[in-house]
Amino acid sequence: KAGVTQTPRYLIKTRGQQVTLSCSPISGHRSVSWYQQTPGQGLQFLFEYFSETQRNKGNFPGRFSGRQFSNSRSEMNVSTLELGDSALYLCASSLRTENTEAFFGQGTRLTVV
Amino acid sequence: GQNIDQPTEMTATEGAIVQINCTYQTSGFNGLFWYQQHAGEAPTFLSYNVLDGLEEKGRFSSFLSRSKGYSYLLLKELQMKDSASYLCAVKNYGQNFVFGPGTRLSVLP
Repeated sequence: KAGVTQTPRYLIKTRGQQVTLSCSPISGHRSVSWYQQTPGQGLQFLFEYFSETQRNKGNFPGRFSGRQFSNSRSEMNVSTLELGDSALYLCASSLRTENTEAFFGQGTRLTVV
Repeated sequence: GQNIDQPTEMTATEGAIVQINCTYQTSGFNGLFWYQQHAGEAPTFLSYNVLDGLEEKGRFSSFLSRSKGYSYLLLKELQMKDSASYLCAVKNYGQNFVFGPGTRLSVLP
């Protein structure tokens, strides 16, 4: 069974640009969550989707948005990039929303210059 | 809100036993998870506790006390490959995972 796939693995963007990251969950998993990981802040929750609906949202500005498609694949978008958005963006998929572990993808390393 | 605390760093010797503690304050508790993350890699699931007590999985065990808001991860017979960050995460009903800051474990020969 294939794991969680995130594309691209690495990305370099300049300030002010926008970026879209993609996540394909494990087959059969309907819950997808996104996290930002930085050395200083650790893993910070961005949002969670289940069956194309956003269930939870973290404390990030409106420049961060996401969506989930009918095949459970998810995308997140960051507009008007800032230097501070440089981070590892991790996607995790779960079979359900409760009582189940999350499986993480390898992440997308975003560098904003 | 939620608050999760873990020691920042720990060091242990190969073959030894190490206990990594995690304390949390939360409401609507629905499980505590431990993840391992090697540098530059994705976190991988280690264990899950939702009821009080000890869960054992090979060299790794995890303990939970809901009344005390306390968990620990016990690693036995440490190996060099166990050098990694260990993340404690709490799940509340209807809410997302909240991860602790992680404990960076260094295993020395």
